[in-house]
Amino acid sequence: DSGVTQTPKHLITATGQRVTLRCSPRSGDLSVYWYQQSLDQGLQFLIQYYNGEERAKGNILERFSAQQFPDLHSELNLSSLELGDSALYFCASSRTGGHTDTQYFGPGTRLTVL
Amino acid sequence: AQSVTQLDSHVSVSEGTPVLLRCNYSSSYSPSLFWYVQHPNKGLQLLLKYTSAATLVKGINGFEAEFKKSETSFHLTKPSAHMSDAAEYFCVVSEAAGKSTFGDGTTLTVKP
Repeated sequence: DSGVTQTPKHLITATGQRVTLRCSPRSGDLSVYWYQQSLDQGLQFLIQYYNGEERAKGNILERFSAQQFPDLHSELNLSSLELGDSALYFCASSRTGGHTDTQYFGPGTRLTVL
Repeated sequence: AQSVTQLDSHVSVSEGTPVLLRCNYSSSYSPSLFWYVQHPNKGLQLLLKYTSAATLVKGINGFEAEFKKSETSFHLTKPSAHMSDAAEYFCVVSEAAGKSTFGDGTTLTVKP
């Protein structure tokens, strides 16, 4: 158990809908990362937050947004969902967000868009 | 720009034989390098990392990796495979905060 929690574990929804994925980092970690893992694209970095502020952006679509709250939990919002958004979404956390940090991964949220 | 290439998408070994998972990287700076393991339907777990200290890095479960700057490689090895090692392995390069690039992964199969 990494100490990172993600809810829900599974989510099934329809095209065009909007969903929110939630992540609670390990105690003491200030940085949160979001990743998308799919069979055709592999593991893709989406976005990173550090202490409430956006630090880095990866291959995140404009339909997707995220934030990190004062209590350091984070939410990833996915809107106007398409079939291709079906994937496993991971949250990770690290102490400082630096490039030498170990990232601790949550168990993931499996999103299925029908 | 940084990049990482895992040279084998699938590796199959027999239980008790050595494991070698190959990773080459490209980076303009002095990167940090990581190996993560992902078991089916689980999140990723750190096996080991290199952050410019000793070039031979020991990790969990008997794995180790050697950073070779001249060859831009960071291959993962284990002397004797165990059935529980069957999983997907990711090599990761990171040269700046928030700039982690994951390889495509190597699926390790361990035959009894």
